[in-house]
Amino acid sequence: KAGVTQTPRYLIKTRGQQVTLSCSPISGHRSVSWYQQTPGQGLQFLFEYFSETQRNKGNFPGRFSGRQFSNSRSEMNVSTLELGDSALYLCASSGGGSTGELFFGEGSRLTVL
Amino acid sequence: AQKITQTQPGMFVQEKEAVTLDCTYDTSDPSYGLFWYKQPSSGEMIFLIYQGSYDQQNATEGRYSLNFQKARKSANLVISASQLGDSAMYFCAMRGVNGAGGTSYGKLTFGQGTILTVHP
Repeated sequence: KAGVTQTPRYLIKTRGQQVTLSCSPISGHRSVSWYQQTPGQGLQFLFEYFSETQRNKGNFPGRFSGRQFSNSRSEMNVSTLELGDSALYLCASSGGGSTGELFFGEGSRLTVL
Repeated sequence: AQKITQTQPGMFVQEKEAVTLDCTYDTSDPSYGLFWYKQPSSGEMIFLIYQGSYDQQNATEGRYSLNFQKARKSANLVISASQLGDSAMYFCAMRGVNGAGGTSYGKLTFGQGTILTVHP
């Protein structure tokens, strides 16, 4: 069974640009959530989608947005990039299961110059 | 609100010895789930072990066990017989749970992590 796949793995952008990150969950998983990881702030929750609907949202500005498609694949978009957006963006999928554990991808490492 | 505290920024252990990584938590939820994840340098978060707040017994998964003390609000991870491949960052995390024994839901709240280094 394939794991969570995130693309691209690495990318470099400049301030003011926008970026779109993609996440393919484990087959059969309908919940996808996104987390931002930085050395200073640690791991912070961005949003969660379930069956194409945003179920939860973290405390991030409106420049951060996401969506989920009917095949459960998800994208997140960051517009008007700032230096502080440099981070590892992790996607996780969940199929419910007995504990509801999240399965994470390897992340997309974004560098903003 | 949920809060996870990991007070050990770094830990060192000799290969084949046991090590305990500390985690304390705070929550107003009556039911919750506690998780431990391992993050190697590749970046992927690997699920290790889960403990539900209503579980009567401490969780175990192979060389990993969770020392759950509900009254003290602690959920320490014990790794027995450490291996060189155990060197990584370890995160404690929690989520709400739907009733006693239910499935966890919602966002994961993470601690700041502990870097474990295993020496040969």
